[in-house]
Amino acid sequence: RKEVEQDPGPFNVPEGATVAFNCTYSNSASQSFFWYRQDCRKEPKLLMSVYSSGNEDGRFTAQLNRASQYISLLIRDSKLSDSATYLCVVNFPGGSQGNLIFGKGTKLSVKP
Amino acid sequence: DTAVSQTPKYLVTQMGNDKSIKCEQNLGHDTMYWYKQDSKKFLKIMFSYNNKELIINETVPNRFSPKSPDKAHLNLHINSLELGDSAVYFCASSPERTMSSYEQYFGPGTRLTVT
Repeated sequence: RKEVEQDPGPFNVPEGATVAFNCTYSNSASQSFFWYRQDCRKEPKLLMSVYSSGNEDGRFTAQLNRASQYISLLIRDSKLSDSATYLCVVNFPGGSQGNLIFGKGTKLSVKP
Repeated sequence: DTAVSQTPKYLVTQMGNDKSIKCEQNLGHDTMYWYKQDSKKFLKIMFSYNNKELIINETVPNRFSPKSPDKAHLNLHINSLELGDSAVYFCASSPERTMSSYEQYFGPGTRLTVT
C-alpha cells in the first residue's frame, strides 16, 4: 500500500458544484493530517489542518476516519478560483521524525 | 515581505556541472527543508535542518549536499548534475521539529533543467 494515496483526477466540475476528495494513508501511527493546495507552477500552501472531530472553514470541510485511515475534503459551492491541485499530507512518525508525506495530489478544474 | 525566498527561480545547466540553490526564511523558524517535485508532480522531502543540524537525510544521492550557514538559510549544492535531477526544488520552513501539527511554509521553487 502506498504511503499516502489520492485519486489523481482530474475532477472537472461546474461552478457551484460540490466536490469531494479522498485520501488514504498507510501508517496507523500518524497523528497529523493536512490538506495543501498547489496552483499551477506555484508552491504548495496550507489549506487546512484535519482534526479528529472534523473541521470546517467556510466552504471547505475536512474529515478524518482513523479506523479506516482515510481523510476527505469537501468543497461546497465551487468557485473558478478553487481550480488547483489538492495535496493530502500526513506525518509519518518514527525513523525520520516530523516527516511529512505528500500525496501526489488531486487536480480540480472548475468550469464556468 | 517574502517569507521564504529561493534563488534562482530558473536554472538551466549542462550535465556534469555543479550548481547551488539558495534559500532564506525571515520567519524566525527553527527548521528548514528541501523538497523535490518531479515531472509527475510528486513532492518528496530530501533534507531537513533544525538549528543547523541535519535531522532528516532521505535516501538521496550524495551528490546533493545541504549547507546551512545559519538558522535563516539552507542552501542546496548539487555536484555532477544528471538529467534525472531536472525537477522543481522547493525550500520550506516550519516553526519547530516535532511530530505535532505544524504548517510548512514553502518558497516559490527553483525549476532546474539539466541538458
